[in-house]
Formats: sequence, structure tokens, C-alpha cells
Amino acid sequence: RKEVEQDPGPFNVPEGATVAFNCTYSNSASQSFFWYRQDCRKEPKLLMSVYSSGNEDGRFTAQLNRASQYISLLIRDSKLSDSATYLCVVKGLNSGNTPLVFGKGTRLSVIA
Amino acid sequence: SQTIHQWPATLVQPVGSPLSLECTVEGTSNPNLYWYRQAAGRGLQLLFYSVGIGQISSEVPQNLSASRPQDRQFILSSKKLLLSDSGFYLCAWSGYGQGRNIQYFGAGTRLSVL
Repeated sequence: RKEVEQDPGPFNVPEGATVAFNCTYSNSASQSFFWYRQDCRKEPKLLMSVYSSGNEDGRFTAQLNRASQYISLLIRDSKLSDSATYLCVVKGLNSGNTPLVFGKGTRLSVIA
Repeated sequence: SQTIHQWPATLVQPVGSPLSLECTVEGTSNPNLYWYRQAAGRGLQLLFYSVGIGQISSEVPQNLSASRPQDRQFILSSKKLLLSDSGFYLCAWSGYGQGRNIQYFGAGTRLSVL
């Protein structure tokens, strides 16, 4: 089983739609979770951290389910500018020196 | 504020030629530094990370090497490039305390080995 798995997509959705991505991770000891966004031919940028109780940032909502070892990202009222690849990221321990593990990403295309 | 610089942005090199990519971070001290490669249509692969000057951990065997001659400088090198070294190379840094959990990326170097 891969450490971090994501549906590669693409998810093609109309503007204004709600779309959700899931991500599963294999290491039950994982402690920190993030969603990064990567535009075509650009570097990944942090979108949001994922907290145990779930968290929201504007149109974006992230949730964590430790029992099932998955993380989700919900985007409401999709905009054309949301088109990008969304990377699920997991960190094994809270030790600062443990590298992050990146999923391969889920591609989203928002269509006018 | 912290910034990370990577150069060059694009590079075309012949097979067998050497490589040197440089990454520098400003506005912070004692960062963790990372080199990743992203091949076309694939995920990010961690190549090296460093927790301090002269301290390099290698994640995958390859013909690349990394060095950290100064606190905020990280260099990726190769003596002889292979076709399979083509890809998008990204440098990243993370801070201290809880901030060590979040990585910030440079703009990347797109390397084509021909």
C-alpha cells in the first residue's frame, strides 16, 4: 500500500459546483496533515493544514478521520481559479526532522 | 519575511554533463532544507534533506549528490547527468518548532537532459 494515495482525477466540474477529494494514508502514527495546491508547471503552495476537529478557510473545508486514515478537502462554489492539482501531504511524527510525504495529487478543472 | 530562491529556472543539458543547482533561503536561520524531483506526470520524490550545515540525508540511491556549505544554502549536483535525471527540481525549507511541519517551496528548476 502506498504511503499516501489520491485519486488522480481529473475532476471536471462547472463553476459554482461543490467538489470533494479524499486521500488515504498508511502510517497510523502520522500526526500532521496538509493540503497543498500546485498550478501547472509551478511549485506546490500550502493551501491549508488539516486539524483533528476539521477546519474551514473560506470556501475550503478540510477534515481528518484518524480511524479510517483518510483526509478530505471540500471546495464550495468552485471558481475557474481553483483549477489546479491538489496534493495531500502527511508527516509521520511531530519530530521536526521527519520529512513530509506527498501524494501524487488530484487534478481539478473548473469549467465555465 | 522568509524567501527562498532557486536558479536557474530552466536548464537544458547534454547527457554526461555536470549539474549544479543552487538554493538559498533568506529571513530565517537554521532551516531544514530539502531537494525534491517531480518527473512528468508523477508525484514529488524527496531526494535529500538537511537539518544543518554539512548534514545531508539521502532518500534514494542515484547519481545525484547534495551539499550544504552554509546555513541557508543547499546545492544539488551531479558529475554526469543521465536522461532519467530530467524533471522539475524543487528546493524547500521548513522552520523551527511547529513550523518545521510546513514546507515552503522555491519556484523550481525545469531540467531537460538530452
